[in-house]
Amino acid sequence: GAGVSQSPRYKVAKRGQDVALRCDPISGHVSLFWYQQALGQGPEFLTYFQNEAQLDKSGLPSDRFFAERPEGSVSTLKIQRTQQEDSAVYLCASSLGGSRQPQHFGDGTRLSIL
Amino acid sequence: AQTVTQSQPEMSVQEAETVTLSCTYDTSESDYYLFWYKQPPSRQMILVIRQEAYKQQNATENRFSVNFQKAAKSFSLKISDSQLGDAAMYFCAYRSSPLFGNEKLTFGTGTRLTIIP
Repeated sequence: GAGVSQSPRYKVAKRGQDVALRCDPISGHVSLFWYQQALGQGPEFLTYFQNEAQLDKSGLPSDRFFAERPEGSVSTLKIQRTQQEDSAVYLCASSLGGSRQPQHFGDGTRLSIL
Repeated sequence: AQTVTQSQPEMSVQEAETVTLSCTYDTSESDYYLFWYKQPPSRQMILVIRQEAYKQQNATENRFSVNFQKAAKSFSLKISDSQLGDAAMYFCAYRSSPLFGNEKLTFGTGTRLTIIP
């Protein structure tokens, strides 16, 4: 596709349920990023992939959060045993990689935990 | 760790007028990149303009320009001839040089810009 695609656009889950959020980056983009954006705040870095390698996961808030990109393209962010504080917009971005390449963002998934 | 501060939670400007959004940052690095992103209600972050720290010349993209003051660690965005479509949240963001190995962005808390018709 022409841009970064994220699904679902909205997700409502009950506390304690597991959720999976999908990101389909721009074709050929090497780098992929996940950010968490709480209401009224700026996005905060969660994790970063270069191809299939997860190079940085320092932003993941707890071991309930897990991300993968097994074939170096589509990525999934999984949250286990969701809690209310996980409610946020989850943004995915991709880039060609390298110093001059900007990150292109998807529309995000709004996750609401009841 | 790097931090980005946007001290104006909200700004408003009359249509066709000029507005400046402020951003300051803190870093010990000498080489880095700075960005302004726009986020309309659709939630997609759209790149407005970027600046490479080693370049002294301020970046310009049509009606958008920056005032980059490296010594003061300041990076303001000027929007000229404001249009209704400019209404959005604006985020300032910092990225380390890839020499440091990570391309992640560090964002400020944003400024909500309202355009008054």
